[in-house]
Amino acid sequence: QLVLTQSPSASASLGASVKLTCTLSSGHSSYGIAWHQQQSKKGPRYLMKLSSDGRHIKGDGIPDRFSGSSSGAERYLTISSLQSEDEADYFCQTWVTGIQVFGGGTRLTVL
Amino acid sequence: QVQLQESGPGLVKPSETLSLTCTVSGDSMNNYYWSWIRQPPGKGLEWIGYISYSGSTNYNPSLKSRVTISVDTSKNQFSLKLRSVTAADTAVYYCARGETATDCWGQGTLVTVSS
Repeated sequence: QLVLTQSPSASASLGASVKLTCTLSSGHSSYGIAWHQQQSKKGPRYLMKLSSDGRHIKGDGIPDRFSGSSSGAERYLTISSLQSEDEADYFCQTWVTGIQVFGGGTRLTVL
Repeated sequence: QVQLQESGPGLVKPSETLSLTCTVSGDSMNNYYWSWIRQPPGKGLEWIGYISYSGSTNYNPSLKSRVTISVDTSKNQFSLKLRSVTAADTAVYYCARGETATDCWGQGTLVTVSS
């Protein structure tokens, strides 16, 4: 079964960097994912599409501070030079023919 | 730049049918897949299903028996019908674009199921 696992919460200081993790279920380590940001009371915003080899394609207007990387079944979102507006929920998403799946999301707190 | 806007009733009675429409502006619907995704209050995202511009559909197995998604490219719209709703279907419903990565989202509309 295709499942994405994310830690429920993370925190980091203003101006620092943070690395969020999304883990693909066993047997699906070659799958690509997408990262989305959801600020409080807002709809999600597409950040990037991330492949298993670490290549990523960002959405329009996404700052260079956001980057993606991969290792095995893990997919990462790194946010550098954290700003207050980066405080949000971050969801990963994956897909196989005919189905899409979302992770449970990570709530990022900027201290 | 493509924009998506959901519309429809914000309140639906239990056992009735939830109906929403998404209007696409700024780009053609051709060559894309169009999705419905929902988010219950305080919870995560759940994919409901998608439809291609030519009308082929795929649905979340957990909702498949109650869901119909349709498309009208002449109006630049696609629609969601969810039958026999219960309180568990209360959520913000988003329309979105993408067969794989969702690369564009609507702002979402809250639908409450209550008598």
